[in-house]
Parts: sequence; C-alpha cells; structure tokens
Amino acid sequence: EAEVAQSPRYKITEKSQAVAFWCDPISGHATLYWYRQILGQGPELLVQFQDESVVDDSQLPKDRFSAERLKGVDSTLKIQPAELGDSAMYLCASSLVLAGNEQFFGPGTRLTVL
Amino acid sequence: RKEVEQDPGPFNVPEGATVAFNCTYSNSASQSFFWYRQDCRKEPKLLMSVYSSGNEDGRFTAQLNRASQYISLLIRDSKLSDSATYLCVGSGGSNYKLTFGKGTLLTVNP
Repeated sequence: EAEVAQSPRYKITEKSQAVAFWCDPISGHATLYWYRQILGQGPELLVQFQDESVVDDSQLPKDRFSAERLKGVDSTLKIQPAELGDSAMYLCASSLVLAGNEQFFGPGTRLTVL
Repeated sequence: RKEVEQDPGPFNVPEGATVAFNCTYSNSASQSFFWYRQDCRKEPKLLMSVYSSGNEDGRFTAQLNRASQYISLLIRDSKLSDSATYLCVGSGGSNYKLTFGKGTLLTVNP
C-alpha cells in the first residue's frame, strides 16, 4: 500500500537553530499539506500545495517558516530560527485532487526545541 | 469560538458498551465532514465520511444535522481496539481546507 513518507521521524534542536523536514507524498497525489499538531490538539493546517503552487499559507508564520514543493512532488518545510513554542508533531498529508475526500497522512516528525 | 468543537472527554467505557461522540461546527459554509481516528503517537486516518442522510459502517454510525450544525459518531459493541482519539473534521472553502477538532480520547477497558 502506498504511503506518505516523512523524515526525520524525530528531531531535537536548540532554540535559534534551523530545522528542515521532508515529505514525499503518495505518487500521483497533486495536493500536499503540512500540518502542525500540538499535544492534546487536532492538526492545524500550515500550508497547502496544489502541484508546485501554494494554495493556502494563511496560518504559516512566515517570519520563521518556509515551505516549498519545487517540482510538484516532494516538499520541504523549514523553520529558522526555531523557538521553544515550535515543539510539536509536524504532519504531512496528500490527496489525489484538491477536492479529494481523503487525506493520507505520513507518520510525522516530532520536533523538540530545547 | 473554535470552528469545530468536540466533547472534551476522555471517555472510559467497558468492552461491549455503546459510546457516542458529539461535535458542533460554527462555519455554516462547511461542505463536508469526516471522522478521523488517531492512535497514540500515530498519524490520523480517515474513519468515515459523514452524510446528511446518516451512514453506517459496521459498528460505526455517523450523522450530520446541518440545521443544528451538529455531527455525531456512535460506536456500538466497543472493542479494545477502538481505543484511540477520534477527531471531528470539517471541510470547506475554495481549497477544501480541513479543520480539525481537538479530538476525544476513548479508552475501552476489558
């Protein structure tokens, strides 16, 4: 069964450092999402891509976060500089089309900022 | 007020019990609704879509009441394996953005 791949699975960093997360969606899925999930909360959308274009980044803290999907396939989410409040699970998801009912999530990257 | 609000839980029930989760949404423009299941330290997975006519999948029944902006999930004959967090999700807008509730933790006890 096709899966969304994410790496690394775990990342520990000190505040003010830069971190980067990678996501490879299910092959053929045009829409890719990055979510942040704080413990005890539901996932919150950070950025949504349709192919290589950003569809929604209204909740992305653009002063420190950036995301790209240059060739419309895999994607990178970067935080620079990391802050203590960024500690969370970062989930990537993909769907076949923009209006796809089901989003398939990757295993996530658990970030701890010390 | 959050767009999607769920029962805070947690719910602790014995095996075989029937348990119901409730959810309300504030955005009347929301088009579609879902229940996702998330096991501890795992990613969310789609459990079922929710339709106005109500839909059933084995022991699970989901209902949507658009007039009251209310969604429910009923689990009958609970199994130990049903222990998880259940996330109520709404979808809307031109980009079909998913908005998740905080989730309700269910523990089914032997």
